[in-house]
Amino acid sequence: GQQVMQIPQYQHVQEGEDFTTYCNSSTTLSNIQWYKQRPGGHPVFLIQLVKSGEVKKQKRLTFQFGEAKKNSSLHITATQTTDVGTYFCAGPRQTGANNLFFGTGTRLTVIP
Amino acid sequence: DGGITQSPKYLFRKEGQNVTLSCEQNLNHDAMYWYRQDPGQGLRLIYYSQIVNDFQKGDIAEGYSVSREKKESFPLTVTSAQKNPTAFYLCASSRVGRGGYTFGSGTRLTVV
Repeated sequence: GQQVMQIPQYQHVQEGEDFTTYCNSSTTLSNIQWYKQRPGGHPVFLIQLVKSGEVKKQKRLTFQFGEAKKNSSLHITATQTTDVGTYFCAGPRQTGANNLFFGTGTRLTVIP
Repeated sequence: DGGITQSPKYLFRKEGQNVTLSCEQNLNHDAMYWYRQDPGQGLRLIYYSQIVNDFQKGDIAEGYSVSREKKESFPLTVTSAQKNPTAFYLCASSRVGRGGYTFGSGTRLTVV
Protein backbone atom coordinates (compact mmCIF):
# COMPACT_ATOMS: atom_id res chain seq x y z
CA GLY A 1 0.00 0.00 0.00
CA GLN A 2 0.92 3.64 -0.20
CA GLN A 3 3.62 4.80 2.19
CA VAL A 4 4.95 8.24 2.96
CA MET A 5 8.08 8.19 5.08
CA GLN A 6 9.83 11.13 6.68
CA ILE A 7 13.34 11.38 8.01
CA PRO A 8 14.57 12.08 10.52
CA GLN A 9 11.91 11.09 13.01
CA TYR A 10 13.38 13.49 15.61
CA GLN A 11 15.79 16.42 15.34
CA HIS A 12 17.30 18.54 18.08
CA VAL A 13 19.04 21.74 16.99
CA GLN A 14 20.58 24.73 18.69
CA GLU A 15 18.70 27.95 18.06
CA GLY A 16 20.12 29.55 14.95
CA GLU A 17 21.09 26.28 13.27
CA ASP A 18 19.42 25.10 10.08
CA PHE A 19 17.00 22.17 9.89
CA THR A 20 15.84 19.93 7.06
CA THR A 21 13.22 17.20 6.92
CA TYR A 22 12.79 14.85 3.99
CA CYS A 23 9.63 13.19 2.73
CA ASN A 24 9.61 10.13 0.46
CA SER A 25 6.57 8.56 -1.14
CA SER A 26 6.30 5.05 -2.52
CA THR A 27 4.11 6.41 -5.34
CA THR A 28 4.17 9.45 -7.61
CA LEU A 29 2.16 12.30 -6.14
CA SER A 30 0.06 14.85 -8.00
CA ASN A 31 0.89 17.34 -5.25
CA ILE A 32 2.36 17.44 -1.78
CA GLN A 33 1.30 19.45 1.24
CA TRP A 34 3.16 20.37 4.43
CA TYR A 35 1.69 20.89 7.88
CA LYS A 36 3.06 22.02 11.25
CA GLN A 37 1.71 20.76 14.56
CA ARG A 38 2.81 22.55 17.71
CA PRO A 39 3.06 20.46 20.90
CA GLY A 40 -0.46 19.87 22.21
CA GLY A 41 -1.99 21.53 19.16
CA HIS A 42 -3.51 20.60 15.85
CA PRO A 43 -1.90 20.49 12.38
CA VAL A 44 -1.81 23.77 10.49
CA PHE A 45 -1.49 23.90 6.71
CA LEU A 46 1.74 25.51 5.52
CA ILE A 47 1.92 25.04 1.77
CA GLN A 48 1.05 22.94 -1.28
CA LEU A 49 3.49 22.10 -4.08
CA VAL A 50 2.17 20.92 -7.43
CA LYS A 51 4.84 21.14 -10.14
CA SER A 52 7.81 18.86 -10.63
CA GLY A 53 10.95 20.55 -9.24
CA GLU A 54 8.93 23.35 -7.66
CA VAL A 55 10.56 25.45 -4.94
CA LYS A 56 8.60 27.80 -2.71
CA LYS A 57 9.73 30.02 0.15
CA GLN A 58 7.95 31.37 3.17
CA LYS A 59 10.33 33.64 5.07
CA ARG A 60 12.90 31.24 6.60
CA LEU A 61 11.14 28.10 5.26
CA THR A 62 12.00 26.62 1.86
CA PHE A 63 9.90 23.83 0.38
CA GLN A 64 10.96 21.69 -2.56
CA PHE A 65 9.13 19.08 -4.66
CA GLY A 66 11.31 16.51 -6.39
CA GLU A 67 11.61 16.14 -10.14
CA ALA A 68 9.99 12.71 -10.04
CA LYS A 69 7.24 14.00 -7.71
CA LYS A 70 7.99 11.25 -5.20
CA ASN A 71 9.95 13.25 -2.67
CA SER A 72 9.95 16.62 -1.00
CA SER A 73 11.89 18.57 1.58
CA LEU A 74 11.36 21.38 4.05
CA HIS A 75 14.36 23.46 5.07
CA ILE A 76 14.32 26.00 7.88
CA THR A 77 17.14 28.54 7.99
CA ALA A 78 18.34 29.84 11.36
CA THR A 79 15.80 28.08 13.54
CA GLN A 80 13.95 29.91 16.29
CA THR A 81 12.15 28.55 19.35
CA THR A 82 8.86 29.30 17.59
CA ASP A 83 9.75 26.62 15.02
CA VAL A 84 9.30 23.86 17.61
CA GLY A 85 6.75 21.23 16.59
CA THR A 86 6.16 18.27 14.33
CA TYR A 87 6.26 18.77 10.58
CA PHE A 88 4.17 16.47 8.40
CA CYS A 89 4.11 16.03 4.67
CA ALA A 90 0.97 14.65 3.03
CA GLY A 91 0.00 13.47 -0.42
CA PRO A 92 -3.30 12.57 -2.05
CA ARG A 93 -4.33 8.94 -2.07
CA GLN A 94 -5.74 9.15 -5.57
CA THR A 95 -5.02 11.52 -8.40
CA GLY A 96 -7.67 14.23 -8.47
CA ALA A 97 -8.72 13.60 -4.90
CA ASN A 98 -7.81 15.62 -1.83
CA ASN A 99 -7.99 12.61 0.48
CA LEU A 100 -4.56 12.85 2.11
CA PHE A 101 -2.11 10.23 3.32
CA PHE A 102 0.09 11.79 5.99
CA GLY A 103 3.74 11.07 6.50
CA THR A 104 5.23 9.87 9.75
CA GLY A 105 6.34 13.36 10.78
CA THR A 106 9.58 14.93 12.00
CA ARG A 107 9.59 16.31 15.52
CA LEU A 108 11.79 19.39 15.85
CA THR A 109 13.18 20.59 19.17
CA VAL A 110 15.01 23.90 19.28
CA ILE A 111 17.41 24.42 22.17
CA PRO A 112 17.69 28.10 23.18
CA ASP B 1 -14.23 34.09 11.60
CA GLY B 2 -14.57 30.86 9.64
CA GLY B 3 -13.24 27.66 11.11
CA ILE B 4 -13.87 24.21 12.47
CA THR B 5 -15.16 23.55 15.94
CA GLN B 6 -14.67 20.23 17.66
CA SER B 7 -16.30 19.32 20.92
CA PRO B 8 -15.72 18.28 23.55
CA LYS B 9 -12.02 19.00 23.98
CA TYR B 10 -11.64 16.11 26.44
CA LEU B 11 -13.86 13.05 26.69
CA PHE B 12 -13.78 10.07 29.01
CA ARG B 13 -15.48 6.85 28.00
CA LYS B 14 -16.27 3.81 30.04
CA GLU B 15 -15.74 0.37 28.63
CA GLY B 16 -18.68 -0.69 26.45
CA GLN B 17 -19.99 2.82 25.84
CA ASN B 18 -20.56 4.55 22.56
CA VAL B 19 -19.52 8.20 22.40
CA THR B 20 -20.03 10.83 19.71
CA LEU B 21 -17.51 13.51 18.82
CA SER B 22 -18.85 16.68 17.27
CA CYS B 23 -17.33 18.51 14.28
CA GLU B 24 -18.86 21.65 12.77
CA GLN B 25 -17.41 23.93 10.07
CA ASN B 26 -18.52 27.24 8.63
CA LEU B 27 -15.96 27.40 5.82
CA ASN B 28 -18.43 26.20 3.17
CA HIS B 29 -16.14 23.25 2.48
CA ASP B 30 -17.69 20.22 0.81
CA ALA B 31 -15.14 17.69 2.06
CA MET B 32 -14.69 16.66 5.67
CA TYR B 33 -12.40 14.12 7.31
CA TRP B 34 -11.74 12.32 10.58
CA TYR B 35 -8.20 11.35 11.56
CA ARG B 36 -6.86 9.56 14.59
CA GLN B 37 -3.48 10.42 16.12
CA ASP B 38 -1.78 8.26 18.72
CA PRO B 39 1.01 9.68 20.93
CA GLY B 40 4.11 10.40 18.89
CA GLN B 41 2.47 9.05 15.75
CA GLY B 42 1.20 10.36 12.46
CA LEU B 43 -2.39 10.82 11.36
CA ARG B 44 -4.49 7.88 10.21
CA LEU B 45 -7.70 8.34 8.24
CA ILE B 46 -10.90 6.98 9.78
CA TYR B 47 -13.64 8.28 7.47
CA TYR B 48 -14.11 11.01 4.90
CA SER B 49 -17.01 12.64 3.11
CA GLN B 50 -16.97 14.69 -0.06
CA ILE B 51 -20.66 15.50 -0.22
CA VAL B 52 -23.72 15.49 2.00
CA ASN B 53 -25.24 12.04 2.61
CA ASP B 54 -22.14 10.25 1.32
CA PHE B 55 -18.99 9.06 3.09
CA GLN B 56 -16.23 6.49 2.64
CA LYS B 57 -14.12 4.39 4.97
CA GLY B 58 -10.52 5.23 5.51
CA ASP B 59 -7.70 2.97 6.71
CA ILE B 60 -9.00 2.34 10.23
CA ALA B 61 -12.82 2.57 10.04
CA GLU B 62 -13.56 -0.52 12.12
CA GLY B 63 -15.33 0.40 15.37
CA TYR B 64 -16.28 3.86 14.13
CA SER B 65 -19.33 5.32 12.38
CA VAL B 66 -20.15 8.71 10.86
CA SER B 67 -23.02 10.63 9.33
CA ARG B 68 -23.17 13.63 6.98
CA GLU B 69 -26.70 14.96 7.05
CA LYS B 70 -25.61 18.59 6.73
CA LYS B 71 -22.74 20.17 4.87
CA GLU B 72 -21.51 21.84 8.04
CA SER B 73 -21.52 18.80 10.32
CA PHE B 74 -19.62 15.48 10.35
CA PRO B 75 -20.01 13.74 13.73
CA LEU B 76 -17.95 10.66 14.59
CA THR B 77 -19.24 7.89 16.85
CA VAL B 78 -16.70 5.71 18.59
CA THR B 79 -18.51 2.46 19.28
CA SER B 80 -17.84 -0.22 21.86
CA ALA B 81 -16.46 -2.33 19.02
CA GLN B 82 -13.37 -0.08 18.88
CA LYS B 83 -10.98 -1.98 21.12
CA ASN B 84 -8.39 0.71 21.68
CA PRO B 85 -10.13 4.08 21.35
CA THR B 86 -7.82 6.18 23.53
CA ALA B 87 -6.34 8.72 21.11
CA PHE B 88 -6.45 12.29 19.82
CA TYR B 89 -9.20 12.71 17.22
CA LEU B 90 -8.88 15.40 14.58
CA CYS B 91 -11.57 16.62 12.23
CA ALA B 92 -10.65 18.54 9.09
CA SER B 93 -12.31 20.08 6.07
CA SER B 94 -11.22 21.19 2.62
CA ARG B 95 -12.46 21.98 -0.84
CA VAL B 96 -13.10 18.85 -2.87
CA GLY B 97 -10.05 17.82 -4.88
CA ARG B 98 -7.73 20.64 -3.88
CA GLY B 99 -6.31 22.87 -1.23
CA GLY B 100 -4.98 22.46 2.27
CA TYR B 101 -6.94 21.09 5.17
CA THR B 102 -8.28 23.22 7.98
CA PHE B 103 -8.17 21.21 11.18
CA GLY B 104 -10.23 21.55 14.32
CA SER B 105 -8.51 21.75 17.70
CA GLY B 106 -9.19 18.06 18.34
CA THR B 107 -10.83 15.85 20.96
CA ARG B 108 -8.74 13.78 23.37
CA LEU B 109 -10.63 10.58 24.16
CA THR B 110 -9.64 8.42 27.11
CA VAL B 111 -11.14 5.09 28.11
CA VAL B 112 -11.53 4.75 31.87
